[in-house]
Amino acid sequence: TQLLEQSPQFLSIQEGENLTVYCNSSSVFSSLQWYRQEPGEGPVLLVTVVTGGEVKKLKRLTFQFGDARKDSSLHITAAQPGDTGLYLCAGAKSNYQLIWGAGTKLIIKP
Amino acid sequence: EAQVTQNPRYLITVTGKKLTVTCSQNMNHEYMSWYRQDPGLGLRQIYYSMNVEATDKGDVPEGYKVSRKEKRNFPLILESPSPNQTSLYFCASSLSRAAGKETQYFGPGTRLLVL
Repeated sequence: TQLLEQSPQFLSIQEGENLTVYCNSSSVFSSLQWYRQEPGEGPVLLVTVVTGGEVKKLKRLTFQFGDARKDSSLHITAAQPGDTGLYLCAGAKSNYQLIWGAGTKLIIKP
Repeated sequence: EAQVTQNPRYLITVTGKKLTVTCSQNMNHEYMSWYRQDPGLGLRQIYYSMNVEATDKGDVPEGYKVSRKEKRNFPLILESPSPNQTSLYFCASSLSRAAGKETQYFGPGTRLLVL
């Protein structure tokens, strides 16, 4: 099964710091989604990006879709403990096929 | 409240003992699917259903069965569980099958241990 490569796999930083996580592939995607999963819960959709170069903001979270639609990044400004969780990206290769990354586990220490 | 529910949340069983994990959604969604989540492997789709009585295999269907007799329910059946099916299982639903366009709503997960 193909996999989107997410990096880093694990990140632990202090509250107030900035961070970026990446989602990379050699494949082109028609769209890409970011989900956040908290312990004991299922993933929850944060954003969908569709157009190459698209940037979307969700409060302190900024999502960017690469120009070639092969990669994406998630930047968090002034991270807070509530941002702790597993961040998953999922790319749509076709109308029906979704490829998932293994996730970035993020811990924000108070 | 719009939600996907799964039961049980935790299950320990032994090899070969048939089990069913239930999944129900109250959003009138047509599309439902089952995933398993294993460390380092991401989410892998087991089976999906596009509507009542319409199911199909995902990426890792071996050892699993599903049924969709009602729109709201999509149970996952392990006829003869084996230790390699120890995993975290998620049920998800969405309005349609359009990958990457629709929001998938996930249940809280079922942690299964097969001894």
